[in-house]
Amino acid sequence: GENVEQHPSTLSVQEGDSAVIKCTYSDSASNYFPWYKQELGKRPQLIIDIRSNVGEKKDQRIAVTLNKTAKHFSLHITETQPEDSAVYFCARGSQGNLIFGKGTKLSVKP
Amino acid sequence: EAGVAQSPRYKIIEKRQSVAFWCNPISGHATLYWYQQILGQGPKLLIQFQNNGVVDDSQLPKDRFSAERLKGVDSTLKIQPAKLEDSAVYLCASSLLGQRTDTQYFGPGTRLTVL
Repeated sequence: GENVEQHPSTLSVQEGDSAVIKCTYSDSASNYFPWYKQELGKRPQLIIDIRSNVGEKKDQRIAVTLNKTAKHFSLHITETQPEDSAVYFCARGSQGNLIFGKGTKLSVKP
Repeated sequence: EAGVAQSPRYKIIEKRQSVAFWCNPISGHATLYWYQQILGQGPKLLIQFQNNGVVDDSQLPKDRFSAERLKGVDSTLKIQPAKLEDSAVYLCASSLLGQRTDTQYFGPGTRLTVL
């Protein structure tokens, strides 16, 4: 129904490696899927989003893929850097507001 | 372009007291949202305004929470009386039109601690 399931809840990678975070949803009417990065004590900031008329979108080291049939979407970060360490939230657009996942704490070790 | 402004940034109160938060959205944004973010969780929508009208308040605990956006610009969120479980960060966000695919921009939040 309403929820967005996000996995994993924590992710630790070595600097330079890739990181992948996955989210699933069940409402087939959703057509907007943003990803937010939230550093400790700071506001969520939009890093990339995808609308349901495309399957993939890329912005430098960040990419998002969407599979509407399977109802899942993923965030891919390549060549990770220590400054990528943060909590990442996926969300789905519903009726003009957002339903968020529970977040993934990404730690990039130098 | 100035971002979403919120005040205060931090507030500590005792249970059963009242508290109010203020938000000023990005200029020209018709839609304003209040979210509650409990530690370790994603933001949860409390209320959505389109101009000065309420679009969705289905998850607002109306026995203790209230919000208004009288002139369709800034907004206040009030809790009266506060409970321990209200301890959270209260985030305000705004978007241009409030359509399903509009980008939402968040303010810095107000961290509320209820003792």
